[in-house]
Amino acid sequence: EVQLLESGGGLVQPGGSLRIACAASGFTFNTYTMTWVRQAPGKGLEWVSAISDSAAITYYADSVKGRFTISRDNSKNTLYLQMSSLRAEDTALYYCAKDAYSSRWYYFDSWGQGTLVTVSS
Amino acid sequence: DIVVTQSPDSLAVSLGERATINCKSTQSVFSSSNNKNCLAWYQQKPGQPPKLLIFWASTRESGVPDRFSGSGSGTDFTLTISSLQAEDVAVYYCQQYYTTPFTFGGGTKVEIK
Repeated sequence: EVQLLESGGGLVQPGGSLRIACAASGFTFNTYTMTWVRQAPGKGLEWVSAISDSAAITYYADSVKGRFTISRDNSKNTLYLQMSSLRAEDTALYYCAKDAYSSRWYYFDSWGQGTLVTVSS
Repeated sequence: DIVVTQSPDSLAVSLGERATINCKSTQSVFSSSNNKNCLAWYQQKPGQPPKLLIFWASTRESGVPDRFSGSGSGTDFTLTISSLQAEDVAVYYCQQYYTTPFTFGGGTKVEIK
């Protein structure tokens, strides 16, 4: 059974930094593209960033480009999102999601429960 | 970037009746490499992560009841719930995965009338 467990969320001041993680199990992690999707309180889903299976290719939403860095450690089956220069509008529940196909950039067939990041003074 | 727009924002349907949600993209999401539309539908219930319902615009995910169906091509798509059940109360999102950023629609909230 696929499991995705996010961690590392919390309260951070504007301008601060935070790294969140997603521990994966139940599938061959190093063969799947992984993605971060966020959801502000009471709002819709926003695609944030994605990384290829080998970590060679990364993509970012314009709203986070230059501030967030996605990475993965395939030896630890873990996905990361390093967030810096955080703003109030980054406050959201951050989900990690697994691509449905090995080595592809398609839709997401598994999601974690999310980790809440709150940016506030 | 491809902008994906859903309509309506919300709808209330009687139990057993049909619910129809529309999704429109600003450019075609039809992939000539595999002749498929790169469009997925997700269901999100309160306090839960999204759940995949439909992919390639019309293929139902394993375990999804057959009252859920997807249709459309190019830029215009529809999710239909043929006979609404109480457990279908949720917010539904479409998403294009034709090109990054893989944008989501704004969501449609489905309630019981």
